[in-house]
Amino acid sequence: QKEVEQNSGPLSVPEGAIASLNCTYSDRGSQSFFWYRQYSGKSPELIMFIYSNGDKEDGRFTAQLNKASQYVSLLIRDSQPSDSATYLCAVKPSSGTYKYIFGTGTRLKVLA
Amino acid sequence: EAGVAQSPRYKIIEKRQSVAFWCNPISGHATLYWYQQILGQGPKLLIQFQNNGVVDDSQLPKDRFSAERLKGVDSTLKIQPAKLEDSAVYLCASSDQGASGYTFGSGTRLTVV
Repeated sequence: QKEVEQNSGPLSVPEGAIASLNCTYSDRGSQSFFWYRQYSGKSPELIMFIYSNGDKEDGRFTAQLNKASQYVSLLIRDSQPSDSATYLCAVKPSSGTYKYIFGTGTRLKVLA
Repeated sequence: EAGVAQSPRYKIIEKRQSVAFWCNPISGHATLYWYQQILGQGPKLLIQFQNNGVVDDSQLPKDRFSAERLKGVDSTLKIQPAKLEDSAVYLCASSDQGASGYTFGSGTRLTVV
């Protein structure tokens, strides 16, 4: 079992719709969870991080964490073509120092 | 604040040659990471430095890869000799403590032919 799993996609949504991206992780003790956006040919950029169960909202983005089920999700409301990118989920394992394990990413395509 | 600087942006070498990448982290960031990202995959941690000491190099292929961070600031990652499977983007990242995520540089795209 991979440590951090994401569906590679592509996930296609129409402009203005809600895009839902999911991530599951294997280390039950993980405490920190991050979402990065990566445009083609560019480096990852941090969108959001979440530590506590529940929802965290930032503009059009909402991160949701369910530690009991070991999944974290990212919702993008009012999706725009500029949101088309690969979204990487990263998890800090329970042991060790501050390093993140990344999933393979989900490619999102927002159709105009 | 200036971001994480990396050079070169692109490098093409033949297999069995050597190559070096350079990274300058955000000023004041004690922790520096080198990640390898193969096309279509997520970034994979190669090595983590805290100041000038190695914290984690468990996934660094030590027979061909080496890295150093002299004086706790700049870092270099070297590959010698390179293999075809080393073709990837090498990303440098830095953080103050890592609790709030870290910042990536623009990366170096390596092609081994």
